[in-house]
Amino acid sequence: DIQMTQSPSSLSASVGDRVTITCRASQSISSYLNWYQQKPGKAPKLLIYAASSLQSGVPSRFSGSGSGTDFTLTISSLQPADFATYSCQQSYSTPFTFGPGTKVDIK
Amino acid sequence: QLQLQESGPGLVKPSETLSLTCTVSGGSISSSSYYWAWIRQPPGKGLEWIGTLYYDGNTYYNPSLKSRVTISIDTSKNQFSLKLSSVTAADTAVYYCARGNYGDYESLDSWGQGTLVTVSS
Repeated sequence: DIQMTQSPSSLSASVGDRVTITCRASQSISSYLNWYQQKPGKAPKLLIYAASSLQSGVPSRFSGSGSGTDFTLTISSLQPADFATYSCQQSYSTPFTFGPGTKVDIK
Repeated sequence: QLQLQESGPGLVKPSETLSLTCTVSGGSISSSSYYWAWIRQPPGKGLEWIGTLYYDGNTYYNPSLKSRVTISIDTSKNQFSLKLSSVTAADTAVYYCARGNYGDYESLDSWGQGTLVTVSS
């Protein structure tokens, strides 16, 4: 299985901050990397697919980059609705695997 | 607007079989553009892929669960189902059904709300 790691595991930030989350795959996954946002008690929501493509309806303050093994999710200006847990997921080879998540909370 | 809804018992006894159904509305479960998946999340932990149902009826199961998992489809009801046998407390989790989009690098673009299944006597 491809192992996915994320850093940091949690972070505290203020509204308006620029936030960057890193995801690393244990082997190359090309651009088969997706990012999800999850709020407490809710299902994950797709934000970014194919490493850098913004899902329809997702605000443009979210962006993704990377290829191969190293990827980043950036929130350009953190909004109150963005406090949540963010998880990466590889869809390169089965079983598709998720990162452990990064919790973004209010400073 | 596609909607997915999980249903099934919220409490299952150890050694018994967990059975869940995902009802899909607003789209056909038979579309070749998509696949269907079950994912679970133990309390306070990360997401785990359980298995996949392809439009042609083929299935893929996570090797870690393969001996206990069965995923099936009922096209007449636009539903797909999960059975997990010989459950233990380690199978306690929120179970999600989701749709995978082949056109978007097989990402999961629609999810059910999730259902908590507790394994306890």
